[in-house]
Amino acid sequence: AQSVTQLGSHVSVSEGALVLLRCNYSSSVPPYLFWYVQYPNQGLQLLLKYTSAATLVKGINGFEAEFKKSETSFHLTKPSAHMSDAAEYFCAVSDRSNTGKLIFGQGTTLQVKP
Amino acid sequence: DVKVTQSSRYLVKRTGEKVFLECVQDMDHENMFWYRQDPGLGLRLIYFSYDVKMKEKGDIPEGYSVSREKKERFSLILESASTNQTSMYLCASSPGDIASSGANVLTFGAGSRLTVL
Repeated sequence: AQSVTQLGSHVSVSEGALVLLRCNYSSSVPPYLFWYVQYPNQGLQLLLKYTSAATLVKGINGFEAEFKKSETSFHLTKPSAHMSDAAEYFCAVSDRSNTGKLIFGQGTTLQVKP
Repeated sequence: DVKVTQSSRYLVKRTGEKVFLECVQDMDHENMFWYRQDPGLGLRLIYFSYDVKMKEKGDIPEGYSVSREKKERFSLILESASTNQTSMYLCASSPGDIASSGANVLTFGAGSRLTVL
């Protein structure tokens, strides 16, 4: 079975500060890992994904995440927060089958203060 | 450029009514999914389908059924709506080819917010 835990349901940072959103996963098979973002009143958009090609994954809008197998983590970072980054962020895990089923974490709401 | 379309953004229904949520994708994807989103619980998988007329239960299928008669369309049915089914419902699709660059990447619709009174 697979599962995802996002540490912190709400994170608040100042504009220009480092963003760090934490995600730990559990999987009995080598996983695919994802970060999605949801802006108010919208569906989810893919930020980035890990599929084993490289442990440091770069995504859209300046975000990146690092896969650490020893820590079973896939934390999302951005060096400098922008007001437009305020949104809800979801970490997700899947196996490598062709059904594409994703298991999502509980979500983290990012607030960016001016 | 809309790729996954959910027919209704907002619905208000009464307890006991039958509710249909429709989802259409135009990307020729094999896989389609229905998730439910609730605050503090993230997204939970209700049902998914990896082929026409094929369906599998997700983590919370109770009280729901689905239909996939055509590849592009995946419907979620609440046979008898209850107040605890008040939620945001998200449809998504993904390619079934694990060799494709988009493998396991879900494309989501904008969501359908259902209120059951």
